[in-house]
Amino acid sequence: DTGVSQNPRHKITKRGQNVTFRCDPISEHNRLYWYRQTLGQGPEFLTYFQNEAQLEKSRLLSDRFSAERPKGSFSTLEIQRTEQGDSAMYLCASSLGGGREEFEQYFGPGTRLTVT
Amino acid sequence: AQSVTQPDIHITVSEGASLELRCNYSYGATPYLFWYVQSPGQGLQLLLKYFSGDTLVQGIKGFEAEFKRSQSSFNLRKPSVHWSDAAEYFCAVVRNYGGSQGNLIFGKGTKLSVKP
Repeated sequence: DTGVSQNPRHKITKRGQNVTFRCDPISEHNRLYWYRQTLGQGPEFLTYFQNEAQLEKSRLLSDRFSAERPKGSFSTLEIQRTEQGDSAMYLCASSLGGGREEFEQYFGPGTRLTVT
Repeated sequence: AQSVTQPDIHITVSEGASLELRCNYSYGATPYLFWYVQSPGQGLQLLLKYFSGDTLVQGIKGFEAEFKRSQSSFNLRKPSVHWSDAAEYFCAVVRNYGGSQGNLIFGKGTKLSVKP
């Protein structure tokens, strides 16, 4: 069990550019979540996958945001035409489906995005 | 709507002193509750969880939390704080209404500082 990994750890981009983040969940976990955390706040839910199916999206996930989990393993989160308001820590979490363990989410180290 | 409130933004305790971090939730039925810890620039680590049963739950690093339904609270405690406990602590509840897939609602966090 190597834990949840995220790449890159830091990303600085200019306003208007596109960025893509990757999350590798714990290998046997079939549920994968994306959250966003801004300074002084707790994480806020963005979207959720069960295997390769994206089953829930938050209203925070504007049409500039898209997430995929093509083979039910790693996931990518893309932000198009970045805005300064997108600057935040993007956190990925995974959990094992079935029973109460599905609610026990394990987080990666996050990707900190700075939009200049 | 469900919510989590952490009334204390910042707490400072002396090393060796006891600690209690407060968390209040709003939800009618029995909630699933968590405490996470976040060190600067890092992801979240799960400290402990409550699903049902014994209202006093033990976690890692010597932490415990008590679920009190009458007060809608889930306070985190530690009898003797170590300097390495300095971090930000987040309380979370599983979102639980029609269509939800178990994403977490977080409080805004309590930053813990430890005086030598």
